[in-house]
Amino acid sequence: EPEVTQTPSHQVTQMGQEVILRCVPISNHLYFYWYRQILGQKVEFLVSFYNNEISEKSEIFDDQFSVERPDGSNFTLKIRSTKLEDSAMYFCASSRVMNTEAFFGQGTRLTVV
Amino acid sequence: KQEVTQIPAALSVPEGENLVLNCSFTDSAIYNLQWFRQDPGKGLTSLLLIQSSQREQTSGRLNASLDKSSGRSTLYIAASQPGDSATYLCAFNNAGNMLTFGGGTRLMVKP
Repeated sequence: EPEVTQTPSHQVTQMGQEVILRCVPISNHLYFYWYRQILGQKVEFLVSFYNNEISEKSEIFDDQFSVERPDGSNFTLKIRSTKLEDSAMYFCASSRVMNTEAFFGQGTRLTVV
Repeated sequence: KQEVTQIPAALSVPEGENLVLNCSFTDSAIYNLQWFRQDPGKGLTSLLLIQSSQREQTSGRLNASLDKSSGRSTLYIAASQPGDSATYLCAFNNAGNMLTFGGGTRLMVKP
């Protein structure tokens, strides 16, 4: 069964460093998303991406964040200068078209020290 | 802004019991809602999707309902099993698949 895959599963980084989280969405899906879940808190929307551009973003998704689809399969989230409060589980998701079922990956646990 | 509340926050039941998880929302202008399962430290597994025009969806022992007029959705689990132990999340899509999640109900099914 097709699934969204994310790498790495866990990343530890020093505060101020750049990190790139990687995702491979389901192959025939057109919409891609990033969400995050700080420990003990709700899952929060970060950004949606369609046709090689951002379609929606939340207040959390500030200038420190960027997304890219560098090739036909990968979808990445870059955090330019990590802060302690960026520590969270980051989930990638994809959907075939807008307003249909979203499928999530297993997540990348980011720890900023 | 959509607010989503799930009650109870935690639930412990004996194996075999039928149970209902509740989710309430404030903005009825939704496209759809999804119920997810999350195991500790893991990703989100989609269980059911209900479109705005539907009232319920069923998958195996799971049944989800949607009542937009009252701002509620319920997830019914029949004949619960220890393997059902997980956190269950509801999420509403108001526009563009920007899902707004509830805080989840942590379910423990005891053998």
